[in-house]
Amino acid sequence: ETGVTQTPRHLVMGMTNKKSLKCEQHLGHNAMYWYKQSAKKPLELMFVYSLEERVENNSVPSRFSPECPNSSHLFLHLHTLQPEDSALYLCASSQDLERDPQYFGPGTRLTVL
Amino acid sequence: DAKTTQPNSMESNEEEPVHLPCNHSTISGTDYIHWYRQLPSQGPEYVIHGLTSNVNNRMASLAIAEDRKSSTLILHRATLRDAAVYYCILRDVITSGTYKYIFGTGTRLKVLA
Repeated sequence: ETGVTQTPRHLVMGMTNKKSLKCEQHLGHNAMYWYKQSAKKPLELMFVYSLEERVENNSVPSRFSPECPNSSHLFLHLHTLQPEDSALYLCASSQDLERDPQYFGPGTRLTVL
Repeated sequence: DAKTTQPNSMESNEEEPVHLPCNHSTISGTDYIHWYRQLPSQGPEYVIHGLTSNVNNRMASLAIAEDRKSSTLILHRATLRDAAVYYCILRDVITSGTYKYIFGTGTRLKVLA
């Protein structure tokens, strides 16, 4: 048990749908991250939050909208996605941005039809 | 771009030691070397990290070359549960004192019974 949970574990959505991915960490960490893992590509960092403030947006299209209401929860709101957005979306947390390691959740497998 | 290079895949027999190499020729003097692994259908999991000296923990050992341009993750007795993709990672600076991981494609380790 990593202490980082993600829901749902699997999601299928159409290109016109709006959906949200949820991440929750039970570790008392102050930093949270969203990563995207596409087939045969390295993990790509999407967003970084520290103490609920976004500190990194890695040139992610606006159809992905993150939200961090408190240090334990992180959301990724999805709107008007494309089939190429189908991927495994991973959430992670760390004590803070200076300290390792990062603890990852199991991911949400997203399929966009 | 990834700052590390690793072989795409390796095989090992069960109960034998495994040496997973990583090259990081552009490493700076203050960069830590991190290793994570990703088991099938799971998020990445922290394995070990180090700066200059060799490091040991319950999962593995990390041998760092004297010039720090390469390192080797050592699994002392591979088991079937060690079959995973192993990532050797350096960090990039976000702001002063804060960092993000840059993942490469990793080494897929296959353990043969």
